[in-house]
Amino acid sequence: EDKVVQSPLSLVVHEGDTVTLNCSYEVTNFRSLLWYKQEKKAPTFLFMLTSSGIEKKSGRLSSILDKKELFSILNITATQTGDSAIYLCAVTPDNQGGKLIFGQGTELSVKT
Amino acid sequence: NAGVMQNPRHLVRRRGQEARLRCSPMKGHSHVYWYRQLPEEGLKFMVYLQKENIIDESGMPKERFSAEFPKEGPSILRIQQVVRGDSAAYFCASSPIPDTQYFGPGTRLTVL
Repeated sequence: EDKVVQSPLSLVVHEGDTVTLNCSYEVTNFRSLLWYKQEKKAPTFLFMLTSSGIEKKSGRLSSILDKKELFSILNITATQTGDSAIYLCAVTPDNQGGKLIFGQGTELSVKT
Repeated sequence: NAGVMQNPRHLVRRRGQEARLRCSPMKGHSHVYWYRQLPEEGLKFMVYLQKENIIDESGMPKERFSAEFPKEGPSILRIQQVVRGDSAAYFCASSPIPDTQYFGPGTRLTVL
């Protein structure tokens, strides 16, 4: 069965800290891995990764994929209170029309 | 370009009633996906539709749930004879091709 596991499930840090969120997956015919940020509304798209070793970067956020070890990390540097959210990792199996298989999410809380 | 729109945002039904959730995809997007988020759980895929076609309904409960995406108008997720266990947030996502999905704000269904 296709599966996505995120760790940790929750994390509390102080402003300015750097955090690393983990996502491991087991899926037949992997196509892509996506990261979303969910506050009290719609999940907001962050990154889509398809190739190993190529870092995607957007401001203080970056992500990388390792297709050999079947995991991805999401890094957030110089965290701010606005980064507090649930971060979701999802995988798209190939040949399944693009449906997303989500992990449980990591709840990040950034304190002042 | 307006994002994915869902209505209503909040819906309260009594057990046995019907719930109709609507989703208007982003302009130019012909692929629509529905997901359900139960309390304390991750997002779970329900169904994938293109215009007038159900492509993958492997995540839909076998009874009481149906979905459509007509040639004109929004996609509809219909739940007949709702039960308390149907209480959840229902998210719709759309994409121009089976690729990065953009999510709507969700409909929070409460069954009394």
